[in-house]
Amino acid sequence: DAGITQSPRYKITETGRQVTLMCHQTWSHSYMFWYRQDLGHGLRLIYYSAAADITDKGEVPDGYVVSRSKTENFPLTLESATRSQTSVYFCASSKPGTANTGELFFGEGSRLTVL
Amino acid sequence: GENVEQHPSTLSVQEGDSAVIKCTYSDSASNYFPWYKQELGKRPQLIIDIRSNVGEKKDQRIAVTLNKTAKHFSLHITETQPEDSAVYFCAAQNTGFQKLVFGTGTRLLVSP
Repeated sequence: DAGITQSPRYKITETGRQVTLMCHQTWSHSYMFWYRQDLGHGLRLIYYSAAADITDKGEVPDGYVVSRSKTENFPLTLESATRSQTSVYFCASSKPGTANTGELFFGEGSRLTVL
Repeated sequence: GENVEQHPSTLSVQEGDSAVIKCTYSDSASNYFPWYKQELGKRPQLIIDIRSNVGEKKDQRIAVTLNKTAKHFSLHITETQPEDSAVYFCAAQNTGFQKLVFGTGTRLLVSP
């Protein structure tokens, strides 16, 4: 049972380049999320998706693009990377249960450095 | 939108002591409050959660309390052990929306 996996785990890129972080889950969870983790800011939601072809903005969506053509995949693209996007990115999924809440299952994280 | 504040940012205790982490939230419509633990270099994992119709919930050495009137909730860890050392995140959610808003985290260090 692979669960939820992210790739790449580590990435170094340069300002202005396009970067795509991949996220794949094997549970068929309907909801998927992208968070970024920065010291002093905790976990901030970038984008989320309620189902295939349904996505919505979170707290910090600027500079990011997502898509969800299949339930199991939720890639995050930085169209033109900036130094301020240096961060650890976590993908997560959940299966809403009681009262539309559910445990978030996080991937291992992708550490992105933008030079 | 929802805003969650978490204190303290760091907490150092001796093994066996108790630790308390406090969070406040702004949206009175929030009614689900989970806590996540993140060990160094690992992914966050849910350790306990509470819903607004409950004032307290316990699971072995950890407990969470909720005061809806004051809009704050707390995590209590008793008899702390070195393996409790981690970053702890509180979060709040309005169950009408599948979006958790996290606090900024508390780094707990338990010294032997």
